[in-house]
Amino acid sequence: DVKVTQSSRYLVKRTGEKVFLECVQDMDHENMFWYRQDPGLGLRLIYFSYDVKMKEKGDIPEGYSVSREKKERFSLILESASTNQTSMYLCASNSPSWTVRYGYTFGSGTRLTVV
Amino acid sequence: KNEVEQSPQNLTAQEGEFITINCSYSVGISALHWLQQHPGGGIVSLFMLSSGKKKHGRLIATINIQEKHSSLHITASHPRDSAVYICAVSTGNQFYFGTGTSLTVIP
Repeated sequence: DVKVTQSSRYLVKRTGEKVFLECVQDMDHENMFWYRQDPGLGLRLIYFSYDVKMKEKGDIPEGYSVSREKKERFSLILESASTNQTSMYLCASNSPSWTVRYGYTFGSGTRLTVV
Repeated sequence: KNEVEQSPQNLTAQEGEFITINCSYSVGISALHWLQQHPGGGIVSLFMLSSGKKKHGRLIATINIQEKHSSLHITASHPRDSAVYICAVSTGNQFYFGTGTSLTVIP
C-alpha cells in the first residue's frame, strides 16, 4: 500500500512558536505538496516541490516556508505561528507520470490549533 | 475566481435515498477527480475520469467534457457514506479543488 504519512494528527501551539509539520512518502514520488483546508474555502496550495531542494510558492505562501532535503520528506514550517494559521494541513504527493492517471495520494492531515 | 464549483455545499439525506453531487469547472483539464474525506480523516481518491462514466459499488461518476460538468451519484445511500466529497481537476501538473459537499445520511 502506498503511503503518505504526516507525523501528527493533532497539534496545539502557542502564538509566536516555530512549528514544523512533517510529511514522508514511500512511493519515490518526485512531487510533494502542502495544502491547508478551511471551511468554505476548500483546499488551498501553500507550497510545492518538484525535486529535492526545490520549492515553489503556491497560492498562499505568506507566513510559511518549506524544506525538502530528501526526496521522501517535505516539511512545512510556520516561522511564527499565528491564530489565523489554525487549520487542517494536508500533505500530498504524486509522480509526473502519475498525475493524469492517478492524481494525488494524500496524507491523513494535521489539525493545527494556534492559541 | 473559482475554477471548480460544487453544489450543493451541504446535503442531508435519509438512508436509502439516491444522491447527486454536481461539479462544474472552467479550465481545460487532463482529468477530473472525485475525492472523499471522512470527519477528522485524510482524503482518499474515489474516481479519476476524463470521459464517460465509471462505477464502483454504489458510486457512479459521470463527466461531460463539452459542458465541463461532472456528477457523483450514490445509490441506496447509507450512514457510512457521510463525508465531505471534493471535486478536483488536473491540468498538467496543477490541481484545482472545489470547496466540497458535506453529506450527512440519516438512518
